[in-house]
This record gives sequence, C-alpha cells and structure tokens, in this order.
Amino acid sequence: IAGITQAPTSQILAAGRRMTLRCTQDMRHNAMYWYRQDLGLGLRLIHYSNTAGTTGKGEVPDGYSVSRANTDDFPLTLASAVPSQTSVYFCASSDGTSGDNEQFFGPGTRLTVL
Amino acid sequence: GQNIDQPTEMTATEGAIVQINCTYQTSGFNGLFWYQQHAGEAPTFLSYNVLDGLEEKGRFSSFLSRSKGYSYLLLKELQMKDSASYLCAVMDSNYQLIWGAGTKLIIKP
Repeated sequence: IAGITQAPTSQILAAGRRMTLRCTQDMRHNAMYWYRQDLGLGLRLIHYSNTAGTTGKGEVPDGYSVSRANTDDFPLTLASAVPSQTSVYFCASSDGTSGDNEQFFGPGTRLTVL
Repeated sequence: GQNIDQPTEMTATEGAIVQINCTYQTSGFNGLFWYQQHAGEAPTFLSYNVLDGLEEKGRFSSFLSRSKGYSYLLLKELQMKDSASYLCAVMDSNYQLIWGAGTKLIIKP
C-alpha cells in the first residue's frame, strides 16, 4: 500500500441499507478526515479524527458515523442510506492538524443511493 | 458564516498565463491552500500560504493578502495537462479546512 486507499471504488446502494466505506493509510499520519464532494459545492467535512481513539463532527455529520480504533484505518458508516447521500466520498489524512500540514487524499468512493 | 468564493470556470490558451482568484470570509485564519483536481481524481496539494506575499513553485505561484481576504493562483506557460479544477481552501480557527467550490480551468490549443 502506498498512501491512502479507499474501498469500494464505487457502489450502488438501495435506500435504507447500511454501508461502510473503508479507508486505510500507511503514512502513519495522526489526523484523518472524511469529505463528500457534490457538483457545484466545495468539499464538505463529514467527520474527522485528530488521533487514534478520538473522532469529531464536521460540517455535515448527520446520517454518518466513524471510528478510529488504530492509526491506519478510518471507516465511515451510513447506518440507513438515503438518496441525498449520493456523492463522491474522499478520505484524507495529514501528519498533524496545524496550519502547514497538507492533506493527502484517497482516490474516492462514488456512492449512488437509489 | 464562512464563505470561499472563486470563479466557476475559466478558459485559457496553451502557453499563456492565467490567474485564478479566491476571496474568503472565515472564522479565523490558519493558512490558505490550493489544490489541483483532475476530473474523476482526488485533489492534490499545490501550495500553502500563511503570510502575505507571493510563493513561487515552478510554473505555479500563489499570492495571499490577509487584510483583503484574497488569494490568487498564477499558472504560467500553460500546458494541456493543466486542464483541471483548482480548489481554494482556508484553514479556520478550529484548524478545519473550508473549501471553495473550485474553478474549472479549460486549456485550448
């Protein structure tokens, strides 16, 4: 593994189903993030984790949950998917949370909820 | 509220220079980032400014004026591979990134 990986690459999901998007990084970064990207809108932060064992809510957390059991993995769960959660989801990580720490992004998961 | 504004789309000619502007209003400021995103791909880091002035990195330069809440990304000697979206993001007082919607740059031969 080099950098950040996400799985699946894409998924079509029926409304009401539960879905977990996976994210793994091998850079030993402390901080990890989940964003969604919708056409015409900027990236919006869903949840973040500044270090293993801690998580926080971003701008649009409703309907999503996360966990950070270890440094490398940061899964995002949709408990009961709704069509408005159709989006491209990006996981990112950074070495620290201070200003000069750039975020590195995974390739994204394209999710369609029908 | 927090707001990042940048033009939706710009067109430029191969070999030319283009300037992409970004204005922001955020709760606190801990730096401004520019990212490049090719269609269907992940954003990749281009530059970071926290002090006023110009930062040059090869064909790309980024400028910041904190008093005006303004930044620009300058791309010189444009190449076809520069066709992409350019995302402006500001780190706020909570050290979270607030993102603009991005500027789609179209390069014509």
